[in-house]
Parts: sequence; structure tokens; C-alpha cells
Amino acid sequence: DAKTTQPPSMDCAEGRAANLPCNHSTISGNEYVYWYRQIHSQGPQYIIHGLKNNETNEMASLIITEDRKSSTLILPHATLRDTAVYYCIVSYILTGGGNKLTFGTGTQLKVEL
Amino acid sequence: NAGVTQTPKFQVLKTGQSMTLQCAQDMNHEYMSWYRQDPGMGLRLIHYSVGAGITDQGEVPNGYNVSRSTTEDFPLRLLSAAPSQTSVYFCASSYVFTTEAFFGQGTRLTVV
Repeated sequence: DAKTTQPPSMDCAEGRAANLPCNHSTISGNEYVYWYRQIHSQGPQYIIHGLKNNETNEMASLIITEDRKSSTLILPHATLRDTAVYYCIVSYILTGGGNKLTFGTGTQLKVEL
Repeated sequence: NAGVTQTPKFQVLKTGQSMTLQCAQDMNHEYMSWYRQDPGMGLRLIHYSVGAGITDQGEVPNGYNVSRSTTEDFPLRLLSAAPSQTSVYFCASSYVFTTEAFFGQGTRLTVV
């Protein structure tokens, strides 16, 4: 699996957009970009994923550069409840199904008043 | 639906003891996996399964055994606990060819 590079920490004011960057310069053509978050020490929570097109769901938007070497997770209106560690992961679907998620140390996002 | 349920939530073991961490899901997911998370680190994959009767090793499988006799359950066995296995263990499940994994709330294991 390709490795990812994320800033260790970021701050964001409540109500503003939080833009979390991720570099994955060695990503392969069949690898997806996933984002998960972990609040306190709870189990990680899926946010969004994409292959090469930008994606949006009720939680966030994912912007992937044309060369797929980097991406940005956007939380459009961050709230205090979005304070968490955000993990950017690249992985492919295994031949028999499923995928092996490789978690790095992520970005600690702190949303403040 | 309960989602992914892990038991116990906390456990203290003595070195050399054995135990089984339980993981059950009620979403009929084929794919299940176990991760461990050490302080200040991301999660590391221990073992995974793509269906009943099929298991494979992840990044850090040594010291752990798994089996998958049913779709719902994927227990993780520690045969002889060591202090290095002190960690928080997470179980996850997903459909085989989808990408959203659901995680349990974790089991905090301390080996003394």
C-alpha cells in the first residue's frame, strides 16, 4: 500500500471550513483514497473515499488532484464535535474482497470557538 | 442493528495467560478484521477474513490466532499473553467489495 503524509496537527475555528491535506505520491492506479476519523479513543469512523473523481457526502468533500498524488478532505462547517484524529489511507480492494487499511498517525484536528 | 460488538471492553491479563477477544457483527458483512492501536500510533492490521473459513495474516500477526466459523463472529485469541501485547484492539467489518468499514468500540488489554 502507498504511504501517506499528513500534518500532525491543525486548528480550525468553529463554523469555518476545515481543509485537511494528504500527500500520497506513490499511489497506484487501483488504489483508493479513504478518510477515517477517530474521536478520543473510540473506534475509527468512515468519512469518505474516492478513486480519482472528487466526492461529496453528507459529512465531507474529497478533492483529489488530477495526478492523484495528493488529496484534501474538506469539512465545510466544522463544529466542536469534529475535533478528532483524521486518517488518510490509500488501499486497493483485495482479489478475494476486502481491503487492508494501513493507518498512519493522522492529523489531530482541533476545532475551537 | 447493534453494528460491531466487542467484548470485553477492558481486560487485565498476567503474562502467559491466554484469552479470547470476541467480535460479533449483525450486518451480514463478509469481511472482518482485527487491528491493534498502541499509544500515539495508528492502527495496525493483525488478521483478516473475507468469509467463513477463510483467514489471512495482516501486518502484525505474531502471537495471535483467529478463526472464522460463522459470518457473524471473528474471535481473536492470545495464546500466551506478553506485555508487548498491551494495546487497544479494534475489530472491523465491511461488505467484501465495498469500502466503508465499521469499527467496534475497542477492547483495552493490559498484560502485566
